[in-house]
Amino acid sequence: QVQLVQSETEVKKPGASVKVSCKASGYTFTSYGISWVRQAPGQGLEWMGRISTYNGNTNYAQKFQGRVTMTTDTSTTTAYMELRSLRSDDTAVFYCARDPSGSSWYHDFWGQGTLVTVSS
Amino acid sequence: SYELTQPPSVSVSPGQTASITCSGDKLGEKYACWYQQKPGQSPVLVIYQDSRRPSGIPERFSGSNSGNTATLTISGTQAMDEADYYCQAWDSSTGVVFGGGTKLTVL
Repeated sequence: QVQLVQSETEVKKPGASVKVSCKASGYTFTSYGISWVRQAPGQGLEWMGRISTYNGNTNYAQKFQGRVTMTTDTSTTTAYMELRSLRSDDTAVFYCARDPSGSSWYHDFWGQGTLVTVSS
Repeated sequence: SYELTQPPSVSVSPGQTASITCSGDKLGEKYACWYQQKPGQSPVLVIYQDSRRPSGIPERFSGSNSGNTATLTISGTQAMDEADYYCQAWDSSTGVVFGGGTKLTVL
């Protein structure tokens, strides 16, 4: 069965970076894109960007341009999202989600989420 | 940038029909999808490509999209359907866009 298993909770200081992983299993990794979505406490869903697992092409939301990097390791079927220059308002749950359409029309499986807390 | 607007809350009595709207400029020309999210859980896709149901989603969930509005309809609403619902579309300039979410209360 399709699974996206994310890395554990992180606590970071302002100005630091965080790298969240998303291990995929149960399907052909390179046939589906991966999006990353952020959800601040008590808030809605916010798309950060997506990566093609086939060729590594990325599309980042304008808000995160220059501060986020998405990568994949096809040998371990793992996607990564690194966010730099963390601020307190980056405190959120970060999700990876599978994109079957190739155009992010929808996301059919989601990881369990990774809580990142940014605090001094 | 492209925006999607949802009502913050919708209430429905058990067994009745709930309708949640999602509005955006010429949304009917794009594909809309819907996610259900219960407290402490990851979102679950309940409708994609306007009206298609993923495997395992009950038939009481249906969707439509025309003009500037997409609608998620839950027929015979059950207590277990109480959750936050988010619409989503893709815009060529903005990328993936989510609505602000609607809290569905079944009372």
